Amino acid sequence: EPEVTQTPSHQVTQMGQEVILRCVPISNHLYFYWYRQILGQKVEFLVSFYNNEISEKSEIFDDQFSVERPDGSNFTLKIRSTKLEDSAMYFCASSWQGEEKLFFGSGTQLSVL
Amino acid sequence: SQQGEEDPQALSIQEGENATMNCSYKTSINNLQWYRQNSGRGLVHLILIRSNEREKHSGRLRVTLDTSKKSSSLLITASRAADTASYFCATVANTGGFKTIFGAGTRLFVKA
Repeated sequence: EPEVTQTPSHQVTQMGQEVILRCVPISNHLYFYWYRQILGQKVEFLVSFYNNEISEKSEIFDDQFSVERPDGSNFTLKIRSTKLEDSAMYFCASSWQGEEKLFFGSGTQLSVL
Repeated sequence: SQQGEEDPQALSIQEGENATMNCSYKTSINNLQWYRQNSGRGLVHLILIRSNEREKHSGRLRVTLDTSKKSSSLLITASRAADTASYFCATVANTGGFKTIFGAGTRLFVKA
């Protein structure tokens, strides 16, 4: 069964550094998403992306965050200057239709020291 | 906010018993979905119910939706130890954007 893959599985960085989280969505999907989950807390929506542009973003997704689909397969989340509170599990997801079943990757655990 | 909120926050039952989780939401929706998350893993889609549907079944899962009360329930029948996980409801608002919002989840523990 096709799956969403995320790399790396763990990322440790120093506060103020830039990080790029990478995702390869399912190949025929058109809608792409980033979510984050702080340990033990709810899964928070960050951004959705369709037709090479952001469709929706949350208040969390401020100027420090950006997304890109640099080629036909990758979908990336960049955090320009990480803060301690950015420490979380980041999940990428994709879907064939925008309001239908989401397929999630296994996540990248980001630790900001 | 749009978020679904589940209750109970945690549920512990014996294997073979049924587990019922509830979800409430605040805004108009196009559909409501339930997902499962095993500890530290990604979410897995379980079932989707549309706003014009009242009940849906999938294997041991039964989902109901009451749009007048803005609530949904997920019933897992004849639970198994392998059903131990967190369960989240998710709603998609009919705002034209693509924004699936998750509730806080119910942690289900099924004792063997």
